[in-house]
Amino acid sequence: DAGVIQSPRHEVTEMGQEVTLRCKPISGHDYLFWYRQTMMRGLELLIYFNNNVPIDDSGMPEDRFSAKMPNASFSTLKIQPSEPRDSAVYFCASSFDRGKQYFGPGTRLTVT
Amino acid sequence: ILNVEQSPQSLHVQEGDSTNFTCSFPSSNFYALHWYRWETAKSPEALFVMTLNGDEKKKGRISATLNTKEGYSYLYIKGSQPEDSATYLCASSGSSNTGKLIFGQGTTLQVKP
Repeated sequence: DAGVIQSPRHEVTEMGQEVTLRCKPISGHDYLFWYRQTMMRGLELLIYFNNNVPIDDSGMPEDRFSAKMPNASFSTLKIQPSEPRDSAVYFCASSFDRGKQYFGPGTRLTVT
Repeated sequence: ILNVEQSPQSLHVQEGDSTNFTCSFPSSNFYALHWYRWETAKSPEALFVMTLNGDEKKKGRISATLNTKEGYSYLYIKGSQPEDSATYLCASSGSSNTGKLIFGQGTTLQVKP
């Protein structure tokens, strides 16, 4: 298996622009997680899905953030409009039945 | 609220030294404890998942123990090597075991050759 796939790996955008991050979980995994890594807060959970259904989005910082999982093999995290304080590394992870989480390589987002 | 605390925050050891660090979590709200290894510029990689009090897991020179009654887990590295340099994260799921993990801030290990 190719592991969790994320795209793009790097994104540089201007403040106010829409940003879409993409994730393909490991086939057969039923949980998908979106995390954000910052120096100040470490690794924080934004939202997670079980069987494509959002379970807990309490970590989503603002209404500017939204996430979807239209099917078992694809999820998106969208920021609209983006702000400089959104600059961070965004990780997607997947797991089977609440076991070990397998992380993707991350997307490094820079908002100028 | 589920707080996961790790100590020390950072650790510098010489190659060949053995080391250990601690993860503490609320014992009253526990289902599983995860350990992850996170190398710089890479993504976290799962080491162990433990659920039972007294559980001990081993992977090469790395091992972990779990005490659910007092709410702590130890990670041990025997004969540290430079390639062990990484941040080690622990994470706990609450007793409801919804799949959500709460991560500690990590212990960053630097092994000097």
